[in-house]
Amino acid sequence: QVQLQESGPGLVKPSQTLSLTCTLSGDSINSGDYYWSWIRQSPGKGLEWIGYIHYSGSTYYRPSLKSRLTISQDTSKNQFSLTLNSVTAADTAVYFCARGQSGLSSTWPPGLWFGPWGQGTLVTVSS
Amino acid sequence: EIVLTQSPATLSLSPGERATLSCRASQSLGSYLAWYQQKPGQAPRLLIYDSSNRATGIPARFSGSGSGTDFTLTISRLEPEDFAVYYCQQRGDWPLTFGGGTKVEIK
Repeated sequence: QVQLQESGPGLVKPSQTLSLTCTLSGDSINSGDYYWSWIRQSPGKGLEWIGYIHYSGSTYYRPSLKSRLTISQDTSKNQFSLTLNSVTAADTAVYFCARGQSGLSSTWPPGLWFGPWGQGTLVTVSS
Repeated sequence: EIVLTQSPATLSLSPGERATLSCRASQSLGSYLAWYQQKPGQAPRLLIYDSSNRATGIPARFSGSGSGTDFTLTISRLEPEDFAVYYCQQRGDWPLTFGGGTKVEIK
């Protein structure tokens, strides 16, 4: 079964760039119709969906983060990554990567549920 | 953005009791609602998707129901490992959103 593992710096300075990578094991990032996603969790905002990259390479981002966000994939390394520019203290959170799936949907792109998830990594934005 | 309101915030029960958790949406979702369990220091785990479908490996004591704006997660008989925080999540519209959670604690 697929397992996901986040990696990246735990501390980022304000106005700088947050970069995280999610590495898959047990399955290929190209193995099926999945949406490889980032979700974060903070005490103030709870769980917040950030964005995804589809195995085809298409992406979809949370509108409020779209101007600062890039999600990419490296199929040769079985990884996908998040880059968030111009971070502030409000971006402090535990960041999770997760596999998104969709069945029938009334929206485009299709809505997703998430499982499995990586264990999460805490990112603190502070000088 | 669709707002999901979970109630109660905390549910105090004993092992063996039945737990009933509620999730109410600000707009109709059809059946597009999922439930997750999260234990301290762990990632959320998918329990139920599309209102009533159990995810792979989830015990039969977990069941989901509802449609439109009102949804319920029921744990028929609480096991010690079921004491955790539970979240609902909607996929009926973008951006996808989560509820604030219900903590099921040992009474």
